[in-house]
Amino acid sequence: GAVVSQHPSRVICKSGTSVKIECRSLDFQATTMFWYRQFPKQSLMLMATSNEGSKATYEQGVEKDKFLINHASLTLSTLTVTSAHPEDSSFYICSAGGSGQGRYEQYFGPGTRLTVT
Amino acid sequence: QKEVEQNSGPLSVPEGAIASLNCTYSDRGSQSFFWYRQYSGKSPELIMFIYSNGDKEDGRFTAQLNKASQYVSLLIRDSQPSDSATYLCAVSPLYQKLVFGQGTRLTINP
Repeated sequence: GAVVSQHPSRVICKSGTSVKIECRSLDFQATTMFWYRQFPKQSLMLMATSNEGSKATYEQGVEKDKFLINHASLTLSTLTVTSAHPEDSSFYICSAGGSGQGRYEQYFGPGTRLTVT
Repeated sequence: QKEVEQNSGPLSVPEGAIASLNCTYSDRGSQSFFWYRQYSGKSPELIMFIYSNGDKEDGRFTAQLNKASQYVSLLIRDSQPSDSATYLCAVSPLYQKLVFGQGTRLTINP
């Protein structure tokens, strides 16, 4: 399967600061990037979907001004958590989706654990 | 009705036995079906995908798809303690984003 990397893998920040998470699709042309959030013992929650070169589409209840998504190329998407608060502490996972061999495929990055103090 | 439904478990299976995980979906237009494994604290890992009716085998894993009945299952033969994880079923209409079930927590007992 494709390789998707995320950086950083773990970050601790102070309340009120902003944090940027990078997601790179290393060997897969991702027409679409997805950002998920997962709280302990809960299911994946899709936050937003972004296509290269266009604005992200946010799921209901996700603040687009707080979670800024940029999808500058087929291999790079970033999520910036602005003015982070302790309730934003979670496991953030990106995923790269695209058509491989005529079929849709989607691969996950390793995730970024964010702790806001 | 949820779009993709899985029994949340936990499902306990003795080591060496067959673990059977089931998933049903509501969108008849779905074309691609995936099983992901997620260990605690880690991101999901793709373990199987299936596009056509019938069985698809990969090592100890077999995915089964029945589009008429709208279900997809995953069988794990010779279950090992390392198979203990949450298994996520995901379904996709053609070239569209995945819709995930809530996951089934599987525990393999030594």
